[in-house]
Amino acid sequence: QLQLQESGPGLVKPSETLSRTCTVSGDSVSRSSYYWGWIRQPPGKGLEWIGSIYYSGSTYYNPSLKSRVTISVDTSKNQFSLKLSSVTAADTAVYYCARHYNSFDDWGQGTLVTVSS
Amino acid sequence: EIVLTQSPGTLSLSPGERATLSCRASQSVSSSYLAWYQQKPGQAPRLLIYGASSRATGIPDRFSGSGSGTDFTLTISRLEAEDFAVYYCQQYGSSPMYTFGQGTKLEIK
Repeated sequence: QLQLQESGPGLVKPSETLSRTCTVSGDSVSRSSYYWGWIRQPPGKGLEWIGSIYYSGSTYYNPSLKSRVTISVDTSKNQFSLKLSSVTAADTAVYYCARHYNSFDDWGQGTLVTVSS
Repeated sequence: EIVLTQSPGTLSLSPGERATLSCRASQSVSSSYLAWYQQKPGQAPRLLIYGASSRATGIPDRFSGSGSGTDFTLTISRLEAEDFAVYYCQQYGSSPMYTFGQGTKLEIK
């Protein structure tokens, strides 16, 4: 059974870089023909796709965030990671990792990341 | 970028009633690329419908999806207490690019 477990700091200072890691069990990030993606949800608001990485290593980002986002894969640990630079309070949100193709089939539990000094 | 607009923003119904939720796209969306999700407080979204009308694994048959082009609908035939939640539609576009609607809150009347 697929499990996605997010980890990383829950508090980030303004202008710094937000980092999240998703550890995958029950599938392989390097062999499965799926995308591995990140979605966020500000408190009380809707869902926003941040970006995804394909099993081949190709990356795709939301144009509104592209200049600040990097998604990468660590095949040795079966993990994929998100880095979001130059954060502001507007980046405070629950961050989810997910496995997907056209739709987001499987989600991690999500973790609130707060941007505050 | 395709914008998805969901209506109504809030829908107040009683258990046993039928719920009809709408998702309208600013441009035509391939039916293969339209999905619906349910989200309960404190939980991650759960995939209900993919390809506009196919139920995801384990989803009860009281949930159904329909539509094409720019107009899509999620119908819950007979509401149960566990169905009161927020529902989102989502589309996949070229580049690739994924966008979500703003959500419909289904509340108990």
